Amino acid sequence: SQKIEQNSEALNIQEGKTATLTCNYTNYSPAYLQWYRQDPGRGPVFLLLIRENEKEKRKERLKVTFDTTLKQSLFHITASQPADSATYLCALVSSGGYNKLIFGAGTRLAVHP
Amino acid sequence: GAVVSQHPSWVICKSGTSVKIECRSLDFQATTMFWYRQFPKQSLMLMATSNEGSKATYEQGVEKDKFLINHASLTLSTLTVTSAHPEDSSFYICSARLAGDTQYFGPGTRLTVL
Repeated sequence: SQKIEQNSEALNIQEGKTATLTCNYTNYSPAYLQWYRQDPGRGPVFLLLIRENEKEKRKERLKVTFDTTLKQSLFHITASQPADSATYLCALVSSGGYNKLIFGAGTRLAVHP
Repeated sequence: GAVVSQHPSWVICKSGTSVKIECRSLDFQATTMFWYRQFPKQSLMLMATSNEGSKATYEQGVEKDKFLINHASLTLSTLTVTSAHPEDSSFYICSARLAGDTQYFGPGTRLTVL
C-alpha cells in the first residue's frame, strides 16, 4: 500500500542548530514533492517544491533534498530560531489528475532558546 | 499574492443541523479547489476536488450526499456539511491551485458539533 511517513516524534533542538526532518514514501513515483509549515489551528503554508529531476533546492535558510532511489526527502532548517517551531508536512502529488496532494502526518519541531 | 480565505473560522452547531463553509481565492482565479479534513494530531485528508462549473470529485469513503460541494465561480467554493453529527467535528481546510503545481491553503474552519 502507499505510505508517506514522517517522524511522529517531536524534534527538539537548540536555537542556532540545524534541524533535519525526514519524509519517506513507499509505492509512489511522485513527479514532485512539497514541504509545508503548519502552525496550531492554522492552514498549511507552502515552503518549497522539489521535482524528481532535482537533487536539492534552497530557499534562504531552508534546504530540501529529494532522493528518488531511496524514496526519501530531507528538509533542513539552518540557524534555527524559536520562530521556526511548528509542524512541518511533506506532501506528494498523486497520479490521476488534478494534482492531488497526499500529506504525511507531519513532524513537530520545537526550537529552544 | 495567492491569498485564500475561509469563512467562518470556527462554528459550533447542534447535531442534525447543516453548516456551510466558504472558501475564497482573494487575488487570483482558481479553476481547482480542494477540501481537506484534519483530525487532531493527524494528517490532512483530502475529501474532494472541486472544479468550477462541474461536479466535485470525492475521495473514496467520503459521502457526497453528506458533504455537498459547490464551485460556482472561479473564486468561490463552498462545503456544506449536512445533518452534522459529533463525529463530523474536525478542522476543515480548503486550498486553491494557481497555475502550476502549488496549492495555497485557507486558514481552516474549526467545526464543533454538539
